[in-house]
Amino acid sequence: SQQGEEDPQALSIQEGENATMNCSYKTSINNLQWYRQNSGRGLVHLILIRSNEREKHSGRLRVTLDTSKKSSSLLITASRAADTASYFCATDDYSGGGADGLTFGKGTHLIIQP
Amino acid sequence: EAQVTQNPRYLITVTGKKLTVTCSQNMNHEYMSWYRQDPGLGLRQIYYSMNVEVTDKGDVPEGYKVSRKEKRNFPLILESPSPNQTSLYFCASSYPGGARGDTQYFGPGTRLTVL
Repeated sequence: SQQGEEDPQALSIQEGENATMNCSYKTSINNLQWYRQNSGRGLVHLILIRSNEREKHSGRLRVTLDTSKKSSSLLITASRAADTASYFCATDDYSGGGADGLTFGKGTHLIIQP
Repeated sequence: EAQVTQNPRYLITVTGKKLTVTCSQNMNHEYMSWYRQDPGLGLRQIYYSMNVEVTDKGDVPEGYKVSRKEKRNFPLILESPSPNQTSLYFCASSYPGGARGDTQYFGPGTRLTVL
């Protein structure tokens, strides 16, 4: 099944700076989601953006979606040490084939340095 | 508190010894799913269930079984575990009626080592 790909694989920034990570996918989607995972723990849903939306905000998070380019970005503003985690994009498979549910990318590992 | 629970959280076992990882959710979700997470491979879906008595294969079902006799429970069964099933396993569930592409709630994970 198709898979989102996050970029970069790893990102290290100073506390207070903005962090941007990108996700590309291959097929048509209904929606795209971003999840956060703290080391070895379960994934936590951050935000969902539908295919007919271009931008969405939630607190310090800003997500954009460009369906023509099959890409999305997640921006975390004013980063904090607690934002250190791995971030995954997940897409549904609108093609109708394969397993039902979400397909996850391999993640971006974000490190916020104090 | 709305949550997905998994047990055990950590398990070390030997090749061929049958084991079951339990998953339970208290949100009345119809959709439940199992994933495994391996370094460099991300999360891959093992099995999913749209409702009671309805299960289907995900991307990597070989060596696993599941059952869905009750809405809240979705156990993952390894009949004869092998070392290549050493991984971090996550159970997840979705809103009632939700399945394709809906927000999923994840359990805390089960770290399995097969020697």
